[in-house]
Formats: sequence, structure tokens, C-alpha cells
Amino acid sequence: AAGVIQSPRHLIKEKRETATLKCYPIPRHDTVYWYQQGPGQDPQFLISFYEKMQSDKGSIPDRFSAQQFSDYHSELNMSSLELGDSALYFCASSSGQAQDGYTFGSGTRLTVV
Amino acid sequence: AQSVTQPDIHITVSEGASLELRCNYSYGATPYLFWYVQSPGQGLQLLLKYFSGDTLVQGIKGFEAEFKRSQSSFNLRKPSVHWSDAAEYFCAVAPSGYSTLTFGKGTMLLVSP
Repeated sequence: AAGVIQSPRHLIKEKRETATLKCYPIPRHDTVYWYQQGPGQDPQFLISFYEKMQSDKGSIPDRFSAQQFSDYHSELNMSSLELGDSALYFCASSSGQAQDGYTFGSGTRLTVV
Repeated sequence: AQSVTQPDIHITVSEGASLELRCNYSYGATPYLFWYVQSPGQGLQLLLKYFSGDTLVQGIKGFEAEFKRSQSSFNLRKPSVHWSDAAEYFCAVAPSGYSTLTFGKGTMLLVSP
């Protein structure tokens, strides 16, 4: 079965650079969620989109932005990167149907040096 | 806002012994409840979920969880732990199938020979 695809799997950036993370949800899933997981931490919700509109916002820094495109894939744009942005970034998708739950991608590991 | 408490940061269990990981939630109504497992550096894999109905839920890899409304708990159990079960386990809640998922801090399971 198709899963949530995230790219790239690993990314190394220098401070003050920008990064773009991509997420391709499961087909027919219209909702995408982004989470940030620091080392030894639980995943923290950043932002979500439903039908290409922002549906909820969590602890996303102003330096970050995201959008969902017409094909439902989503991109997380991160600018002026800081050392503290080093983390595993997960994308999850759902159809909004309870029985489907939330399916997570394998994540993008971002390292800022 | 909903919250999740996993009181045990680390648990060590002997291989073949039974396991119970605790999870308590705070929410006005019955939320959607989930257990995820994460191996080091890996993504989040759904073990099981509860929405309604039978309060004992069966999941993958021989895991089960019981929802107890009176205790606001959703504890994860396994009758006989295998070395491959060593990982971090996250309990998560959402008010509905469309809502943002909130994670607990996680419990790291160590399996001793």
C-alpha cells in the first residue's frame, strides 16, 4: 500500500541557509500535518492543511512557512536556519475518517551546522 | 486543550515477560487514542487506535490496549516481550479524526536478555 513519502530523507544545511522539505500524502488523503521532533523529544505539532487551506497552527516559528498544493502534496519552507532547528521533521496525512487514523512518513532529518 | 501523560520515561523488561505501558489523557470527552512505536532514527509506526466500541483494542505485533473511561487511561500491553520490541512508544490523542494529534513524552522500552 502507498505510504506517506517525504523527501529528502537527510539534509545538511548551514546556519542562516534555507531548506525545503516535501511531503506526498497517501492518495485520497486531503489533510497533511507537520511535526518536529528534536533529539530525545516527543513530536511537536507545527502546522496542518486541509484541502489546501491551513487548518491548524502549532508551535511553528515565523521563519517557517508551509503550503499544500493542488495535488495535495505539502512543502515546509524553513529560512534563516538555526542550530536548534536540527531535528527530525515528520509529515502525516489523514483522510479525516476516524478509521483511517494518521499515517506518518519516515521523516526528514535536518542537521544545521 | 487535550494533553497526554506517559508517567514512565524508561521501562526495562526481561525478554518473555509481560509489558504494560501507561498512558493517561486529559480531555472533556472521549478522544481518539493512539499508540505509536518508533525505533531509533525511524518514523512513527501505528500500533493500534481506539475511537469507540469495544474498549479492548488489538493491534499489530501482538500488542493490545484497553481504554478505561473512568481512569482516563489507555494502557498498552503485551503478554510476552521480544528483544525486537525495544523502541520508544508514544501515546497520542486527538479530539476527532480531523484534529491535530497530541503526543505524550514517550516511554523508552529496554528489553534485557
